[in-house]
Amino acid sequence: EDQVTQSPEALRLQEGESSSLNCSYTVSGLRGLFWYRQDPGKGPEFLFTLYSAGEEKEKERLKATLTKKESFLHITAPKPEDSATYLCASRSGNTPLVFGKGTRLSVIA
Amino acid sequence: GAGVSQSPSNKVTEKGKDVELRCDPISGHTALYWYRQSLGQGLEFLIYFQGNSAPDKSGLPSDRFSAERTGGSVSTLTIQRTQQEDSAVYLCASSGQENTGELFFGEGSRLTVL
Repeated sequence: EDQVTQSPEALRLQEGESSSLNCSYTVSGLRGLFWYRQDPGKGPEFLFTLYSAGEEKEKERLKATLTKKESFLHITAPKPEDSATYLCASRSGNTPLVFGKGTRLSVIA
Repeated sequence: GAGVSQSPSNKVTEKGKDVELRCDPISGHTALYWYRQSLGQGLEFLIYFQGNSAPDKSGLPSDRFSAERTGGSVSTLTIQRTQQEDSAVYLCASSGQENTGELFFGEGSRLTVL
């Protein structure tokens, strides 16, 4: 059974303090590792898809990377508006996405 | 509409009552998903519709849960004889390409069972 584990559960950063969120996955035949952002009271919003080890994607202050066992979401010089829950999800075969429980990020000004 | 629309946004019901939750996907999207998100938990897959294919119902937690999709567009998730453990946010998502992980989510329907 596919499993996705995210750490830490919660992270509090000062504005400008860079850090990384971790997503470990156990998937046979990975067909994509996905990152989403979820704001309170909203549905998740797609950020990135990674397909193979070594791949990287960037968007503003966010960079996602992928290895054979985990993915990292690096946040460089975060701002308060980056505060949200970040969700990681995997797909194998033709199955629907399997989500982790998320990392709740708070960026303090 | 421009995005996925869900209704109602909030629903409070008594234990044992039936509820219906509606999802209107992005026009032209062929794939539609229902997920459930409980407090402190990740998104739990419920059911998946793709075009005219038989739906993937493997995530439905019990036979009290059912869903249909009419005309390849609007979907309704029905929960019969609701229980307190059914309290959660029910999220609908649609996708324009088969087997893609880029899902467009609605804002969810928050269900509270008293």
